[in-house]
Amino acid sequence: GIQVEQSPPDLILQEGANSTLRCNFSDSVNNLQWFHQNPWGQLINLFYIPSGTKQNGRLSATTVATERYSLLYISSSQTTDSGVYFCALSPGDNYGQNFVFGPGTRLSVLP
Amino acid sequence: GAVVSQHPSWVICKSGTSVKIECRSLDFQATTMFWYRQFPKQSLMLMATSNEGSKATYEQGVEKDKFLINHASLTLSTLTVTSAHPEDSSFYICSAPHRHTEAFFGQGTRLTVV
Repeated sequence: GIQVEQSPPDLILQEGANSTLRCNFSDSVNNLQWFHQNPWGQLINLFYIPSGTKQNGRLSATTVATERYSLLYISSSQTTDSGVYFCALSPGDNYGQNFVFGPGTRLSVLP
Repeated sequence: GAVVSQHPSWVICKSGTSVKIECRSLDFQATTMFWYRQFPKQSLMLMATSNEGSKATYEQGVEKDKFLINHASLTLSTLTVTSAHPEDSSFYICSAPHRHTEAFFGQGTRLTVV
């Protein structure tokens, strides 16, 4: 099956710093999403981005499907950005949207 | 975005009892929903696919007799953990795809079996 890697596994930032989180995958995809899991476990949708670039406030994401990677940019980080960031994707032959999740990046933003 | 509601948010039950978790799509219909499980400090793993009007399909290693799934309508799927044991303690979360594109997740249910 498809393999998903995320880097870095852990990241500690000072408030106000910028960061880039990476998601590599081993096969073509028809759906890729980024999520932020808050301390209560809820998954917050950040981006639906099977290809291209999107921006939402301090966050932006880019997926280069032909090179099988996606990036999530966080600018001017805030303590509320702390949590785990997951990329999740559906393989190219599967339109059911049952996701394969990456292992996550655990972000801690210090005041 | 679309809303998926999951209930209860947390539950504590005694070993040997059964627990039912509900997943509802509030503002859209979902012929398919998905159930995931997450153990502490780990990622989410797909357990099963819930199909309206037909049987659920389970991932390898998931006991279908322990985790009963019923997709009762186009907006409701339930997961029942039968004869729960402490090793079933976990975070369970459902999702539903919206218009065959973006998927939305419920709030999750933290199950503790004592």
